[in-house]
Amino acid sequence: GEDVEQSLFLSVREGDSSVINCTYTDSSSTYLYWYKQEPGAGLQLLTYIFSNMDMKQDQRLTVLLNKKDKHLSLRIADTQTGDSAIYFCYNAGNNRKLIWGLGTSLAVNP
Amino acid sequence: ETGVTQSPTHLIKTRGQQVTLRCSSQSGHNTVSWYQQALGQGPQFIFQYYREEENGRGNFPPRFSGLQFPNYSSELNVNALELDDSALYLCASSREQGVNTEAFFGQGTRLTVV
Repeated sequence: GEDVEQSLFLSVREGDSSVINCTYTDSSSTYLYWYKQEPGAGLQLLTYIFSNMDMKQDQRLTVLLNKKDKHLSLRIADTQTGDSAIYFCYNAGNNRKLIWGLGTSLAVNP
Repeated sequence: ETGVTQSPTHLIKTRGQQVTLRCSSQSGHNTVSWYQQALGQGPQFIFQYYREEENGRGNFPPRFSGLQFPNYSSELNVNALELDDSALYLCASSREQGVNTEAFFGQGTRLTVV
């Protein structure tokens, strides 16, 4: 199976919170990352969490890490239309091939 | 701004032609990775260059080749283009090779093969 799995679509109303989930198989990473990709654009590093942390907050973003379950989530508070994009979790681990999932497409409705 | 720039931003080529894509890495970064992202897919790793040498390769045929220069900028060359090569090509630079380092991406080159 894939090293990284994410649900493909999420739709929320403007102002609500969004939670994007990711599961991974390789637990050797020191860091796990979230990237954002707007339509037709490259990948933008959004935030990351050190693997010995459970939670990291960065303004509207909260990253939660459950190492036991190999589960990573990204919560966006007060979601805005500008948050509409595809979100990728990235787990480098020891796999030099740097496997990416298909990403979660977030649609924010006014 | 990540400091990683790619050129050109868009390109249209004919099947069978050859193409060269360019990437300049962020200052202080010695590693460049190339990815192919087809529409609706996640990025697929093509290869990585570390200090001018190929340092890992994904499942891409030999007609995908690359170079890294002493200033750590890089080129991706694709020969004998096929229609399925149409994709967004992303380059990422990082401070060290392989693992456990964040990668900064350029905006990509959109290649269309007709």
